[in-house]
Amino acid sequence: KQEVTQIPAALSVPEGENLVLNCSFTDSAIYNLQWFRQDPGKGLTSLLLIQSSQREQTSGRLNASLDKSSGRSTLYIAASQPGDSATYLCAVFAGTYKYIFGTGTRLKVLA
Amino acid sequence: DADVTQTPRNRITKTGKRIMLECSQTKGHDRMYWYRQDPGLGLRLIYYSFDVKDINKGEISDGYSVSRQAQAKFSLSLESAIPNQTALYFCATSERGSGANVLTFGAGSRLTVL
Repeated sequence: KQEVTQIPAALSVPEGENLVLNCSFTDSAIYNLQWFRQDPGKGLTSLLLIQSSQREQTSGRLNASLDKSSGRSTLYIAASQPGDSATYLCAVFAGTYKYIFGTGTRLKVLA
Repeated sequence: DADVTQTPRNRITKTGKRIMLECSQTKGHDRMYWYRQDPGLGLRLIYYSFDVKDINKGEISDGYSVSRQAQAKFSLSLESAIPNQTALYFCATSERGSGANVLTFGAGSRLTVL
């Protein structure tokens, strides 16, 4: 059974730091992996999607990597800003309808 | 307007009451989903629908039912609400035939059952 784990559960950093959020999964048979951002009282916004054949994706200050063989993905945030404060979730897509979500990392960037 | 709209956004109800959460989308997507989010548990799938005539149970469908009234509308019902159904509920859509199957989420409906 696929399990997705995100460590740490919470993270607090000063503004300007580069940081890495981790996502691990137990079954490498995935189609893709998505990183989402969740703001309080709001839905999930898709940040980056990495297909199983890809190693990384970049969007602005965000870079996500995928290592299927080791069951790991990282989300790198460069030059963090207070506006980056949110909960970040990863989800693996196992095909058809099945997304398995991690429990998220709650990030706080201090001004 | 949001691509995926959920109503109500917040609802407080009592045990035993019937509750309906509604979802409508303007994405033109075939696939729609209902998820539940609880602290420390992540999102769990309640029901999913690939088109109006195709509705399937997810991992935690007990105590819930759904209706796909049209391609753009997918509602979730709690026939007799109980306190452990207190949670944040999300509707999501995705496009059939899209290999990536990117999910688009609504803003969520927070339900409290007293």
